[in-house]
Amino acid sequence: EAGVAQSPRYKIIEKRQSVAFWCNPISGHATLYWYQQILGQGPKLLIQFQNNGVVDDSQLPKDRFSAERLKGVDSTLKIQPAKLEDSAVYLCAIQGGIQQYFGPGTRLTVT
Amino acid sequence: AQSVTQPDIHITVSEGASLELRCNYSYGATPYLFWYVQSPGQGLQLLLKYFSGDTLVQGIKGFEAEFKRSQSSFNLRKPSVHWSDAAEYFCAVGDSQGAQKLVFGQGTRLTINP
Repeated sequence: EAGVAQSPRYKIIEKRQSVAFWCNPISGHATLYWYQQILGQGPKLLIQFQNNGVVDDSQLPKDRFSAERLKGVDSTLKIQPAKLEDSAVYLCAIQGGIQQYFGPGTRLTVT
Repeated sequence: AQSVTQPDIHITVSEGASLELRCNYSYGATPYLFWYVQSPGQGLQLLLKYFSGDTLVQGIKGFEAEFKRSQSSFNLRKPSVHWSDAAEYFCAVGDSQGAQKLVFGQGTRLTINP
């Protein structure tokens, strides 16, 4: 079974600061996703990668969020500057067949 | 675009009682449907999935779900719940391009009374 590691697990920052999250799939998978899960809601897709390229970033707030995928494996998601409404859990997932495998997520609190 | 509605935000059942969590979806083509469970501080774990074939699918931990195309529903059931089933449950629909781009419902929080 595919595995996904994420770091850090928790992060607290002040508004207007920047933050970065990392996603490290244990085994190579072509398709990788970042989701945002606000408290009390289901995850919402932010961006989809296919290998190194972006397939869909229509829901990514590009004025403050950026993401990249290095060599088709690891990925980073960055927020600069952060707003209070960015407080959420950020989940990374990889596609394995018709199933997505999720990492444990990074919980971001913006104060 | 696909969408998912989970009408029940919070459900409480007694341990040993039966459970049904509702999920309604909207999608123009044949959907890929999933149920995930999320325990506090944990990632999402897949309970079961449907994409074709028998409309009653079995999953892990004794869960099952039934796909009803006429009702656009994919309800999750368990005949007898255990205290460890307390968690948040999410229904999701994937697009027809290999079940990519999951759209999730808002979730149903399950509380178990002893």
